[in-house]
Amino acid sequence: QSALTQPASVSGSPGQSITISCTGTSSDFGDYDYVSWYQQHPGKAPKLMIYDVSLRPLGVSNRFAGSKSGNTASLTISGLQAEDEADYYCNSYTDTDTRVFGGGTRLTVL
Amino acid sequence: EVQLVQSGAELKKPGESLKISCKGSGYTFSIHWITWVRQMPGKGLEWMGSVYVGDSDTRYSPSFQGQVTISADKSINTAYLQWSGLRASDTAIYFCATSILSPAILDNWGQGTLVTV
Repeated sequence: QSALTQPASVSGSPGQSITISCTGTSSDFGDYDYVSWYQQHPGKAPKLMIYDVSLRPLGVSNRFAGSKSGNTASLTISGLQAEDEADYYCNSYTDTDTRVFGGGTRLTVL
Repeated sequence: EVQLVQSGAELKKPGESLKISCKGSGYTFSIHWITWVRQMPGKGLEWMGSVYVGDSDTRYSPSFQGQVTISADKSINTAYLQWSGLRASDTAIYFCATSILSPAILDNWGQGTLVTV
């Protein structure tokens, strides 16, 4: 079971928008819209940012948005802030009743 | 407040056995899944497997099947991850996480347990 494919790094300036992609196979995503995204700051536990492709948990800024088209999911962060600098991971529920993470993307706010 | 509190850091030798724990509070522990996630030094997150606490039904990643055992004791709101013969390559931080909103997501996380072999 290979990890979902994410870019190793992305960067943007404060106030700008960035998008992180997450690509897999049809088996990785199954027939479900169970893609979630996690933010991890250094030395901290991951935090859920987006679930079920595009839903935000309570307390997560509406600057974070998720989408999916075919076998590629995306996380868009608008109005970049310094505190957004972190690692981001996508995760999907697969058609074999397991889950798989993406390889992770390091976001740098310039 | 939902909390997952994991056991402390471990320093072990190759071949030794180990069982680490994850205790939940602030929610009905027995009716949700607990998932274990590995993070090797400087690397990304890896889904290891999950256990449904209510009946101990488990799911394993093919990468971890047979390498670890995931279990839970609903009477004490605690889930476990265990090894019967550690290897140096098991050195990592291990996180537990629960799925309250939906079985497909990890919405609350423990603080992580560092295992050094």
